Amino acid sequence: GAVVSQHPSRVICKSGTSVKIECRSLDFQATTMFWYRQFPKQSLMLMATSNEGSKATYEQGVEKDKFLINHASLTLSTLTVTSAHPEDSSFYICSAHPPGADHQPQHFGDGTRLSIL
Amino acid sequence: SQQGEEDPQALSIQEGENATMNCSYKTSINNLQWYRQNSGRGLVHLILIRSNEREKHSGRLRVTLDTSKKSSSLLITASRAADTASYFCATDPFGNEKLTFGTGTRLTIIP
Repeated sequence: GAVVSQHPSRVICKSGTSVKIECRSLDFQATTMFWYRQFPKQSLMLMATSNEGSKATYEQGVEKDKFLINHASLTLSTLTVTSAHPEDSSFYICSAHPPGADHQPQHFGDGTRLSIL
Repeated sequence: SQQGEEDPQALSIQEGENATMNCSYKTSINNLQWYRQNSGRGLVHLILIRSNEREKHSGRLRVTLDTSKKSSSLLITASRAADTASYFCATDPFGNEKLTFGTGTRLTIIP
């Protein structure tokens, strides 16, 4: 089945550091990928839609200069949390939808636990 | 985006019992999906039910959908310790693959 790989799985870094998270679709091409954020014991909130070859679209309230998204190829999207601060600590998850017929589920990466000290 | 509601928020049952989780949503849908999330992990897709379907089965899972009430339920029969996880329903309200997730149910199976 379709596999989405996310790296790294865990990051611990100092405040002010920029952190890059990668999301790869391993066995299918994804023109669109999605980035979600999840706080402890809460649901997933969509942050942005990553579009291959064009600018990402951000959900209301998400700072595009804070969360830089690059989707340079059909199998890779990256999320960079710039100048991260403790309030950015969260679980970040990406997903992608294999091309083809409608009514297909999203496939999710295993998430990245970001902890800013 | 507006989230759906799930209830209960948390559920603890003995191994072997059945677990039922409910999800309500707010907009019209093409389909509704259920996902499982083990602690600290990503989401695993369980079942997708289309808006013109009323019930769907997959192994020990049974999902129902009532579009008139904008609600869905997930039943796990003969629960196992490995079923301990959080369960989320998700919809795609605008048909653009952007999923809106419910608040989730944390299920604990007691051995």
